[in-house]
Amino acid sequence: AQSVTQLDSHVSVSEGTPVLLRCNYSSSYSPSLFWYVQHPNKGLQLLLKYTSAATLVKGINGFEAEFKKSETSFHLTKPSAHMSDAAEYFCVVRGTVSGGGADGLTFGKGTHLIIQP
Amino acid sequence: EPEVTQTPSHQVTQMGQEVILRCVPISNHLYFYWYRQILGQKVEFLVSFYNNEISEKSEIFDDQFSVERPDGSNFTLKIRSTKLEDSAMYFCASSRDRGSWETQYFGPGTRLLVL
Repeated sequence: AQSVTQLDSHVSVSEGTPVLLRCNYSSSYSPSLFWYVQHPNKGLQLLLKYTSAATLVKGINGFEAEFKKSETSFHLTKPSAHMSDAAEYFCVVRGTVSGGGADGLTFGKGTHLIIQP
Repeated sequence: EPEVTQTPSHQVTQMGQEVILRCVPISNHLYFYWYRQILGQKVEFLVSFYNNEISEKSEIFDDQFSVERPDGSNFTLKIRSTKLEDSAMYFCASSRDRGSWETQYFGPGTRLLVL
């Protein structure tokens, strides 16, 4: 069965400071991991994905994430926050909680990122 | 850039009524999905669809739900007799293929309110 835990429901940072959004996963096999972002009244947009080619994954808008198998983590970071980064961020693993299939994505609860001016 | 589109953006219905939510996946994609997000809860997988049949479905996807690709472009989710607990945001998604790392592209969602 697959699951993800996003450790913070809200994260607030000042513009220009680093961003860290934490995610831990549980997987019965080698996981496929994703980060999606949702801006208000918009769909879910892929930020980046872990494909096992490299443990450090670079995504759009300056975000990156590092896959750490020993810590079962896939934290999302950005060196310098911008006002436009304010949104809801979802850590996602391929496969479902019930473990019955591999098509569906299992989402974390989301982290609301607030950027202070 | 191609996008998944969904209509309507908002729908209000009475309990017991049938609703149909519509999606237009990205044109060269072969796999289609529905997810829902009840207010304050996680996004949950409902069903995947390929080659005109259901590929996988979750426990949520019971006999009240059905999916269809009525023509070459639309993909629909029907809820036969809506309940209060069906109130949620419903997201459609599509992907080119089914591989583990294949990206699922999401639409903006339809917010369904059952009264």
